[in-house]
Amino acid sequence: GENVEQHPSTLSVQEGDSAVIKCTYSDSASNYFPWYKQELGKRPQLIIDIRSNVGEKKDQRIAVTLNKTAKHFSLHITETQPEDSAVYFCAATAFSGGYNKLIFGAGTRLAVHP
Amino acid sequence: NAGVTQTPKFQVLKTGQSMTLQCAQDMNHNSMYWYRQDPGMGLRLIYYSASEGTTDKGEVPNGYNVSRLNKREFSLRLESAAPSQTSVYFCASSTETSPQETQYFGPGTRLLVL
Repeated sequence: GENVEQHPSTLSVQEGDSAVIKCTYSDSASNYFPWYKQELGKRPQLIIDIRSNVGEKKDQRIAVTLNKTAKHFSLHITETQPEDSAVYFCAATAFSGGYNKLIFGAGTRLAVHP
Repeated sequence: NAGVTQTPKFQVLKTGQSMTLQCAQDMNHNSMYWYRQDPGMGLRLIYYSASEGTTDKGEVPNGYNVSRLNKREFSLRLESAAPSQTSVYFCASSTETSPQETQYFGPGTRLLVL
């Protein structure tokens, strides 16, 4: 079935460093790739997304890149701050059972140390 | 504007007991979803409702039932709880049933089945 793999599962960086989280997907028809941030004990919240007709998208310190040929996409956070500490989930669309649904990766726990 | 709300926040059940998780949204969204979140497995779709009056199975529907009571409310019922249903349950909503529409999540219900 459809699958989204996410790496690494944990990531520890120093404040000010960059962080990169990578995801691969299996469904070549996937066309939408959102990223969610979940702080401890809170709900997931969309932070950025990218569609298949775009290779890169930026929003301040956050960027996402997409390589459709290789079927992988990545989240880049620059100048990390302690408030970036959270679990990040990638997701990709997959069409199954008449519904174009989201398949989530297992998550990356990012810790930013002051 | 409360967004997506869920009750209860936390529940402990014994094996075989039943309960209903409640979800409501005040954003006039057409589509609503129930996910479960387990450690190391991301978010998995249990059921969804594309619009008032319709419901469909997601990836992991076994052991659950849902009711779309009206446009605002979407409930999830466990008829006979099992320890494997110990999880955090999130309700979400979006304007349309398309992953390219942002899904807004509720605060979650933490369920422990003994």
